Amino acid sequence: GQQLNQSPQSMFIQEGEDVSMNCTSSSIFNTWLWYKQDPGEGPVLLIALYKAGELTSNGRLTAQFGITRKDSFLNISASIPSDVGIYFCAGRRGTSYDKVIFGPGTSLSVIP
Amino acid sequence: DVKVTQSSRYLVKRTGEKVFLECVQDMDHENMFWYRQDPGLGLRLIYFSYDVKMKEKGDIPEGYSVSREKKERFSLILESASTNQTSMYLCASSFGGARAYEQYFGPGTRLTVT
Repeated sequence: GQQLNQSPQSMFIQEGEDVSMNCTSSSIFNTWLWYKQDPGEGPVLLIALYKAGELTSNGRLTAQFGITRKDSFLNISASIPSDVGIYFCAGRRGTSYDKVIFGPGTSLSVIP
Repeated sequence: DVKVTQSSRYLVKRTGEKVFLECVQDMDHENMFWYRQDPGLGLRLIYFSYDVKMKEKGDIPEGYSVSREKKERFSLILESASTNQTSMYLCASSFGGARAYEQYFGPGTRLTVT
């Protein structure tokens, strides 16, 4: 079946550093979404992207819809301890109503 | 703020038991979803519903059924629980139309089947 790959699988960074992670697919996607999951909670939607090349920010977070439509990127600037969690990308190919596919997640740890 | 609530945060059941997981949303969303989350596998869609009494199979529907009798409530049923159904179960909801893919999740139910 379709798969999304996320890189890196996990990250350990110092507080204040910038973070970059990405999500790739072998198939073209029409929508990319980024979620964050805090320990013991459900995922929370951070950013939704609907057009190739689109760059969208939400506070210290910036996400981009790749030009090839096969990838997306998430950057976090000046990380803080509450950024800790698992970041999931999700994509929709547009062939199935309301069905999105989730990546396996990138686990982020921030060292104070 | 959208609120999606799930009936239990933790549940322990025995093999063969019938298990009901309940989900309620308060935003009048058309769509509701059930996922299971396992380490390294991300979220996998079990079933979804885009209207009352409507349901569609997701990627892993085997061993599960669902019920949506009211717009705000979506139930996941494990007819005969098995140990390989031990997992975190997440409910989500969304509007229909152009924003259908922006899903709002509940806190999850961690189910252990012994």
